[in-house]
Formats: sequence, structure tokens, C-alpha cells
Amino acid sequence: DTGVSQNPRHKITKRGQNVTFRCDPISEHNRLYWYRQTLGQGPEFLTYFQNEAQLEKSRLLSDRFSAERPKGSFSTLEIQRTEQGDSAMYLCASSLGGSDYGYTFGSGTRLTVV
Amino acid sequence: DAKTTQPTSMDCAEGRAANLPCNHSTISGNEYVYWYRQIHSQGPQYIIHGLKNNETNEMASLIITEDRKSSTLILPHATLRDTAVYYCIVMDSNYQLIWGAGTKLIIKP
Repeated sequence: DTGVSQNPRHKITKRGQNVTFRCDPISEHNRLYWYRQTLGQGPEFLTYFQNEAQLEKSRLLSDRFSAERPKGSFSTLEIQRTEQGDSAMYLCASSLGGSDYGYTFGSGTRLTVV
Repeated sequence: DAKTTQPTSMDCAEGRAANLPCNHSTISGNEYVYWYRQIHSQGPQYIIHGLKNNETNEMASLIITEDRKSSTLILPHATLRDTAVYYCIVMDSNYQLIWGAGTKLIIKP
């Protein structure tokens, strides 16, 4: 297990289409986080899971966004009816939880909505 | 939750030590300070973290003031590959990292 894996690396979609991203965390990490990052800004928190339970969602996560983590393993982030404003880098991170454990990030999925 | 403030950008000559400051004046006693960096178009990379004591690893050193209101990340011998955005972050009570805009560090030959 070499780290957090995200697929695809890049996604170009037409406005109005649905897209789904996948994140495979480090296997022993029970926490999984989704962030969104736009150019020149730091990552913005979207949601996180403790095992399979989704414990918090940001107000940034509109009704068009949904995330799942079945069986507490990999996670998917789906965006329905994409808009141009959804264009961003979507980052996944995992951790053991606790304040003395940092996050390990994946390389991200860059979404471009045209 | 504590917030951090960092300079927007800094330059450093290759081979010199890069010292990146961070203010976190409202930090609570049990909140850790984390440093990450992000090279263009990649995911953030963990560098180091600490609570009260100074820390050192193979990448960097972290100096935390005694009152914990500020810290400095030190890259001892900066190389061109250290050019990146460096984020100083305080982990909040829910074990979440709240990110600012970071410091863009440019290493010059």
C-alpha cells in the first residue's frame, strides 16, 4: 500500500453531465476526507468519513454533491448536473484520526466543466 | 478554531536556509501545528508537525515559540525542488485541518 490513490487524474465533462471520482485510502486509515481546491487557494473542506459513517458535510457540498464510503474502504464523490463553477481539483486524504496524526493526500482529480 | 497567518510569498537563494514564519495567536493548548507543501498540480505533501517542542525530521525543522503563538518552518539547505506553496495549519478540536492560502516560496538559483 503506497498511499492514497485517486482516479481519474483528469476529467473533462460537459455542463449538465454527472461525474464520479474514486478515492482509495491507506488501508489502515479509518478517516477519509474530501477537499476541493481552486487556483491560488488552499484546499476547502467538503466532507469526511469515519469508517463508513459520513460525519460532517460542509455547506459547500450542495445537493448535487454526494459522497459514499461503503464498507469503510474506498470512497466515491459524485457531482450531478455539473456546472462550470464545479471546475476545480478534488483532493482526497486519509488519516488514522487523532490530533497527532497528519493526513496523507492523493494526487487529486482535476475536473474541467466545459 | 485557531487561524494562521502567513506571508503571501517569499524568495530564498538555493543552498541557503529558508525560514517560513507563521502566526497562530489564538491556538489552544492541545492543538497541533502542521506544515504541508504543495507543488504545482500535485496533492499536498506532509512536512512536519508539533505541539510544544521543536521538531526535526529529514525534510525540515519546526521551531515553536514558548507561548505557542507563532512558529517557523526551516528548510536547512533549500533546493530548486523546494519551490512550492507552504501551508501552516492548526488542527482543530475535531481533528480537521483548516487551510489558509499559504506562502509561495520561490527558490532562486
